[in-house]
Amino acid sequence: ETGVTQTPRHLVMGMTNKKSLKCEQHLGHNAMYWYKQSAKKPLELMFVYSLEERVENNSVPSRFSPECPNSSHLFLHLHTLQPEDSALYLCASSQDPSLEGGELFFGEGSRLTVL
Amino acid sequence: GQNIDQPTEMTATEGAIVQINCTYQTSGFNGLFWYQQHAGEAPTFLSYNVLDGLEEKGRFSSFLSRSKGYSYLLLKELQMKDSASYLCAVMDSNYQLIWGAGTKLIIKP
Repeated sequence: ETGVTQTPRHLVMGMTNKKSLKCEQHLGHNAMYWYKQSAKKPLELMFVYSLEERVENNSVPSRFSPECPNSSHLFLHLHTLQPEDSALYLCASSQDPSLEGGELFFGEGSRLTVL
Repeated sequence: GQNIDQPTEMTATEGAIVQINCTYQTSGFNGLFWYQQHAGEAPTFLSYNVLDGLEEKGRFSSFLSRSKGYSYLLLKELQMKDSASYLCAVMDSNYQLIWGAGTKLIIKP
């Protein structure tokens, strides 16, 4: 238990579906992140939120839409995805986005399969 | 460009010692992290090095040489539960984390 909870753990969707991934952190952190993890590839940072404001958007396609309603919750809304979007999506949190002297706390991930 | 290199896979024997290397080329340096990730689980923090030298934490140690752009994670008295992927990440001058692809460590009895 890392203090970061993700749901659902597994998701299968068609290319025309709309679904959402949810992340909740119970650590009182100010920064939250979405990462994409594909097999044998480095973690790819998608979005960073600090105090509910988006501070990073690494050229992610618009079919991925993040939402951060408060400092404890983060969503990733998915729409018209492609098969190459199949991956493990990891949520993480940290005390602040600069990570000075700190660390990332990860959730267990949502395994997404796009058919 | 920025790059982190680590071996894709390593195999070691229970009770032995294994060293997982990580080399990096980044725009500036603000520290190096090691994370452990068991299959199907969250990555968990192992160590953080910002100064040269060896940091020991129980059976695990992490070494850093900033002049060589090099780090290693040393695991002693290997146990079956140490079978996992080990991720190296460097924080660059903009405090962005640059990740390696991870090293899958297989422990055999």
